[in-house]
Amino acid sequence: GAGVSQSPSNKVTEKGKDVELRCDPISGHTALYWYRQRLGQGLEFLIYFQGNSAPDKSGLPSDRFSAERTGESVSTLTIQRTQQEDSAVYLCASSPGQGGQPQHFGDGTRLSIL
Amino acid sequence: QKEVEQDPGPLSVPEGAIVSLNCTYSNSAFQYFMWYRQYSRKGPELLMYTYSSGNKEDGRFTAQVDKSSKYISLFIRDSQPSDSATYLCAMSSMDTGRRALTFGSGTRLQVQP
Repeated sequence: GAGVSQSPSNKVTEKGKDVELRCDPISGHTALYWYRQRLGQGLEFLIYFQGNSAPDKSGLPSDRFSAERTGESVSTLTIQRTQQEDSAVYLCASSPGQGGQPQHFGDGTRLSIL
Repeated sequence: QKEVEQDPGPLSVPEGAIVSLNCTYSNSAFQYFMWYRQYSRKGPELLMYTYSSGNKEDGRFTAQVDKSSKYISLFIRDSQPSDSATYLCAMSSMDTGRRALTFGSGTRLQVQP
């Protein structure tokens, strides 16, 4: 079956512009996560959606970052007024959402801010 | 101090060697332990998933968890050049509520043919 799909795979934009990243989770997975991975570093949690519950936004680094999810399907991560320190790979993961189920990742969006 | 510590490497071994990758952690609430493999410009791929302490084997891979020492390991037998990648340990706790994973920074492995 299809895995987690992310688009675009690469995004280059100028400082100050807004960007929108998209994630299509595995069908039937109720939990969806966004992570950020800076060069040579581990993954940093950003936000978590579980079904229709209020999202856990505790990992968002600033109010320039926001995310939405429609039901149990597509999610978008938006970064407003991008800064150079936002340059990173943004990874999306989904899981069945029960207990400590492992997460399955997409290949990420590589974001470069000029 | 980071919640999860992982030696960044790089670790270079000859083909056929046994590889040992390790992570230590500080949060005793962690219950679920995972190892992911990440190739360049790809997302992390789940390799091993264990709950609580003990061993789990899958082909050439063995995962060990020692909760008393807060130490987890991944062993790769008969390593192949195709195993060259970054290996990330990850863990989570039901207690956090959100079940997001806490990752180590990754160990880069190079298997020389």
